[in-house]
This record gives sequence, structure tokens and C-alpha cells, in this order.
Amino acid sequence: ETGVTQSPTHLIKTRGQQVTLRCSSQSGHNTVSWYQQALGQGPQFIFQYYREEENGRGNFPPRFSGLQFPNYSSELNVNALELDDSALYLCATGIRGGPTGELFFGEGSRLTVL
Amino acid sequence: AQSVAQPEDQVNVAEGNPLTVKCTYSVSGNPYLFWYVQYPNRGLQFLLKYITGDNLVKGSYGFEAEFNKSQTSFHLKKPSALVSDSALYFCAVIWMDSNYQLIWGAGTKLIIKP
Repeated sequence: ETGVTQSPTHLIKTRGQQVTLRCSSQSGHNTVSWYQQALGQGPQFIFQYYREEENGRGNFPPRFSGLQFPNYSSELNVNALELDDSALYLCATGIRGGPTGELFFGEGSRLTVL
Repeated sequence: AQSVAQPEDQVNVAEGNPLTVKCTYSVSGNPYLFWYVQYPNRGLQFLLKYITGDNLVKGSYGFEAEFNKSQTSFHLKKPSALVSDSALYFCAVIWMDSNYQLIWGAGTKLIIKP
């Protein structure tokens, strides 16, 4: 167990809808990253938050947005869903300022867009 | 550009034989290197990391990895494979200018046959 909890575990949406995915981080972890993992592929970095501010973003459009809260929990919001958004979305938390860089992953939220 | 390569999409090993999953990287500066494992429909689990020090790193479940700076490689190894080792394995790297973002390899599917 990593202490990182994601919800919901599975959900189905239709094209054009909006979705919010949630991540509860392990105590003391001040960074959160979100990844999209399509079937059979490696994780693709969406963005990273540190102290409630986005401090890194991958090659994803603005309809992918996020929030990090003072208690270090986090949300990923995706607007105007497209079929290609169907994927496993992974949240990973860690400690910024330490040298290790180790990330702790949740089990993911599997989104299906119909 | 910074990158991580896992040259083999799939590795097949008989149970009890040694296994190697290959990873090479291309980053500027000193890298932090990681191996993660993903079981079907699960999140990613941390296996081991190289930050500094001994080039041979030991991790979870009997896995180890050897950092080779001259060959820019970080191959994952295990002396005796188990059927339960069958999973997806991902190599990842952070380098000092990356704002602690991980760059991921595409993953290698490891199949251990009884």
C-alpha cells in the first residue's frame, strides 16, 4: 500500500462531457503528478503541482486542468471529453526538496469515453 | 532531448532462470534512475532507484539493477525468475533540471513461463 488513494476507480462518460478525478496523497507529500496511461503504453506526464501551483506540464491541451489543495489532495479535471481520453489516469505523490525523487502511485482511475 | 529507452517490448524467461530487462537513458547531468512494476489493472509500484553511490542497487522482490555511466544504462536483473514476476516493467529518470518530473520508458512486458 502506498497511502495514495484515487477515486473513482472506474467511470464511463460520453464525448463532450466533463470529468473530475480525485487523489488523496500520503501524509507529508507535497507534490502531486498526474499521468495518463493508454492501454498498452507507458504513462504520459500531464502536469505536476507543488504547494498548490502547477510547476510542470506535459503535452496536454488546456482542457486538462488540475488543483492541489492545502491538505495536498488533488483533482484532475478534463473538459469536452474526447474518445481518445479513454485511459487509466494515475496520480503520484512525492516529497519535493528531497533528493530521492521517488513517487508513490495510486491504483488509478479508469476512464472510458463513449 | 532527454529520453529513456526500453529496447524490448517483451522478454520471455523460463521460471528459475535469470532475467534482464534493459533500459538506457539520455539526459544531461547526473540522472536519478528508477524501476517501477505494474501488474494488470493496477497502479505502478516502486521497485528500486539509483541516486548515487554503489552502481549495483538492490530493491524489492529480489530485483537489482546496475547503473553503468559509460553505457548510460540501468538494466534490471533478477537471479532466478518467478512466474509471479510476470508484469509490465517501466524504467524512468529524473535529472536535476527536470523540476523533479519523471521521464518514462515505454515499458517491457516480462513473461515468466513455468
